[in-house]
Amino acid sequence: GDSVTQMEGPVTLSEEAFLTINCTYTATGYPSLFWYVQYPGEGLQLLLKATKADDKGSNKGFEATYRKETTSFHLEKGSVQVSDSAVYFCASETDSGYALNFGKGTSLLVTP
Amino acid sequence: DAGVIQSPRHEVTEMGQEVTLRCKPISGHDYLFWYRQTMMRGLELLIYFNNNVPIDDSGMPEDRFSAKMPNASFSTLKIQPSEPRDSAVYFCASRQGLADQYFGPGTRLLVL
Repeated sequence: GDSVTQMEGPVTLSEEAFLTINCTYTATGYPSLFWYVQYPGEGLQLLLKATKADDKGSNKGFEATYRKETTSFHLEKGSVQVSDSAVYFCASETDSGYALNFGKGTSLLVTP
Repeated sequence: DAGVIQSPRHEVTEMGQEVTLRCKPISGHDYLFWYRQTMMRGLELLIYFNNNVPIDDSGMPEDRFSAKMPNASFSTLKIQPSEPRDSAVYFCASRQGLADQYFGPGTRLLVL
């Protein structure tokens, strides 16, 4: 079935470093793709999304591009901050289009 | 809007006891989802409803789990009897049609 695979963490970076979190998906079609962020003790919040191939989602300095050729949706940020410390989840729509398949999450710790 | 509301936020119970988790979706949302998050398995979809009707419950682990949605503003997830391996964070989420999915803060369940 459809699935999402993302790099395992934890990822530890210094403030202002460049961030990449890899995500690949398997699907029979071209599902919408998402990145969610979870801060400690909170629920998941939608960070960004892309609904078709070559779309770039962006929010709060984070970006991800929907790559159909490589079935990837890698998350990037040019300069991370301590406040970006959280768990990041990559997700794809299921065949129904209503539910989501999630990756296992990548924990990011940014140190001053 | 108050967002998705879940109660209780934390639940500690003993093996064999019945546990009921509650969710109030965002007003006007016609889809409601229950997810379970564990370290081992990540975030798994348990069941989702459309207009109060269960659409896909293939993720419900076994007969000990049941979910209901008696009206558009309330859903429950019940575990009876509970077991230690049910310990997890349970999230409720809602969406309107194909719009973005919004998550509640989660219920952290510990079964002793």
